[in-house]
Amino acid sequence: ETGVTQSPTHLIKTRGQQVTLRCSSQSGHNTVSWYQQALGQGPQFIFQYYREEENGRGNFPPRFSGLQFPNYSSELNVNALELDDSALYLCASSLVGGAKEQYFGPGTRLTVT
Amino acid sequence: GQNIDQPTEMTATEGAIVQINCTYQTSGFNGLFWYQQHAGEAPTFLSYNVLDGLEEKGRFSSFLSRSKGYSYLLLKELQMKDSASYLCAVGLNSGYALNFGKGTSLLVTP
Repeated sequence: ETGVTQSPTHLIKTRGQQVTLRCSSQSGHNTVSWYQQALGQGPQFIFQYYREEENGRGNFPPRFSGLQFPNYSSELNVNALELDDSALYLCASSLVGGAKEQYFGPGTRLTVT
Repeated sequence: GQNIDQPTEMTATEGAIVQINCTYQTSGFNGLFWYQQHAGEAPTFLSYNVLDGLEEKGRFSSFLSRSKGYSYLLLKELQMKDSASYLCAVGLNSGYALNFGKGTSLLVTP
C-alpha cells in the first residue's frame, strides 16, 4: 500500500509568482484535502476534492485553486504569491464511505521572499 | 464558523498520565478527531469520536461531550516519544475535512 506523497519537498518563490504543488493520494482513496500550516499553528483547511469536484472550501481567497485527476491525484495552485503564503502545505487523502481518518503526506515547505 | 480551543503547552513526567482538553463551537459537526504531530512531520491519526463517551485505544483514550462542546485526549504511561503536538479537530463535511485547533505542545520529561 503506497502512502500519500507530495512534491516538491521544499520550494522558494518570489512575491507575485505562481506555484503548483502536487499530491498523490494513498492507494484506494478517492478524496484529497489540502491544508496550510503556518509555523506554530494547526493546519488550516483550504479545500477538498472528491471525484474531481470541489467538496468544500475553507476561508481562502480565489487565488488558491485546485484540481483532482481521474487517478485521484491532486494539484494546489496559488497565484500572486504573498509573503504570508509561506507555510507548510499538507495534502491528506481519505475514502468517502470508508474509515473516517485522513492520511497526511509529508508536506511541501513553501517560502515566499 | 468554528472556534476550537486547546492549551498551548503542557509538561508531564515519563510514566505519568496527562489529559489534554479541547473545547469547540461549531455550526456543523461531523465528529471530533485527535491527531499527533511530531516536529517536522505530518499529522498522524489518533482517535475519532462522533457519539458521547469514551473511546479507548491502548495507552490513548478520547472523550466527547457534544452538549458541552468538549473533548479530551488522555495519554497513559507516558513515554519520551509522546513529546509532540496534539491537534484537536472537528470534522467539517461528509468527506471529513478538518478544522484544526492550534495544537497543544506536550513535553515529556524524565
